[in-house]
Amino acid sequence: NAGVMQNPRHLVRRRGQEARLRCSPMKGHSHVYWYRQLPEEGLKFMVYLQKENIIDESGMPKERFSAEFPKEGPSILRIQQVVRGDSAAYFCASSPPNRANEKLFFGSGTQLSVL
Amino acid sequence: TQLLEQSPQFLSIQEGENLTVYCNSSSVFSSLQWYRQEPGEGPVLLVTVVTGGEVKKLKRLTFQFGDARKDSSLHITAAQPGDTGLYLCAGATSNDYKLSFGAGTTVTVRA
Repeated sequence: NAGVMQNPRHLVRRRGQEARLRCSPMKGHSHVYWYRQLPEEGLKFMVYLQKENIIDESGMPKERFSAEFPKEGPSILRIQQVVRGDSAAYFCASSPPNRANEKLFFGSGTQLSVL
Repeated sequence: TQLLEQSPQFLSIQEGENLTVYCNSSSVFSSLQWYRQEPGEGPVLLVTVVTGGEVKKLKRLTFQFGDARKDSSLHITAAQPGDTGLYLCAGATSNDYKLSFGAGTTVTVRA
């Protein structure tokens, strides 16, 4: 029973390029969350998705950031025209239906470095 | 500003000593979780507490949820080097599904 899978683990981009981060939730989980973590800060909520639906994107910057969770395939967090301030660890988490508040399983994260 | 304040920010102790980490808020939570995170990895859920005054034990770890469900503590007895890590508390309110995280406490246990 594989856990939450994120790839790539490390991603290096130059300013202005696009970054695509992928997340496959645990089997049977239909809820996906994306969080961003900066050094010595807690995880900041970005977006909450269910299959084919964005439920809450209140934590996501209005520009350059988008997320999707298609019917088939992984959830994608896309950052266009990256800037140095986007450098951070991005974590995906999934939860079972009906337990979204109580039990989150996190992936190992993608460390994005913008040069 | 953080919804959840954790203290201390850093804690370094000798193997065998006890330690307590605190998580405080002015908000009431329907549930509160504690996670442990190691460098380069994602947080791993340790425990969820949902009832005010609840105490849960996980081997040498004791978790307490405040009576008013606004605060929590994590106590580790006879700490071991394997307990080293970043400890994060996270809370959910009854009308919200997303967790709010504290900034974490970095615990270092020296052998």
